[in-house]
Amino acid sequence: DTGVSQDPRHKITKRGQNVTFRCDPISEHNRLYWYRQTLGQGPEFLTYFQNEAQLEKSRLLSDRFSAERPKGSFSTLEIQRTEQGDSAMYLCASSLDTYTGELFFGEGSRLTVL
Amino acid sequence: AQSVTQLGSHVSVSEGALVLLRCNYSSSVPPYLFWYVQYPNQGLQLLLKYTTGATLVKGINGFEAEFKKSETSFHLTKPSAHMSDAAEYFCAVSLGSGNTGKLIFGQGTTLQVKP
Repeated sequence: DTGVSQDPRHKITKRGQNVTFRCDPISEHNRLYWYRQTLGQGPEFLTYFQNEAQLEKSRLLSDRFSAERPKGSFSTLEIQRTEQGDSAMYLCASSLDTYTGELFFGEGSRLTVL
Repeated sequence: AQSVTQLGSHVSVSEGALVLLRCNYSSSVPPYLFWYVQYPNQGLQLLLKYTTGATLVKGINGFEAEFKKSETSFHLTKPSAHMSDAAEYFCAVSLGSGNTGKLIFGQGTTLQVKP
């Protein structure tokens, strides 16, 4: 078990471009979460999945953001028409169904929008 | 609505000294509380959690925290700091009722340990 992995680790893009991040959770974990962390702040909840179903989306997740988990395994987070304010670290976490309070986080994908 | 406030964005202690990182929360429902640690270039890792039951909870690496409902606090302590404890620490409360995995994090406290 290699833990939660995220790809790419770093992405630099120009404003207006689309970007996609991938998260591979721990294999037996059915729940998957996306958080966003900006410099000097704690992570902010964006959305989460139970298997392939997206159960909740934060108001922080504008219409330019879309997340999928098509087969209940890996997940993608796409940002369309990126803005400079999207620059942040995007964190993925996973947990068991029988949630005990522990989220397992990946190392994050850092996005820089120029 | 729930919220978390961490007092002090930077804390500096000498090796061997007491570590105290402060966290206050606001919650309209019985809170589920957590401390996570983030080492450089690593993902966040759970240190300890309070859900129900004993108010003094022990975590990894010698850390512990006490849930004080009357003070709405969940401060993190360690009797003797090690150089390896240098990291960023986040207090969090579970959003909504119960243990949902949707967490509200504080802004974090960077712990510096001086030799």
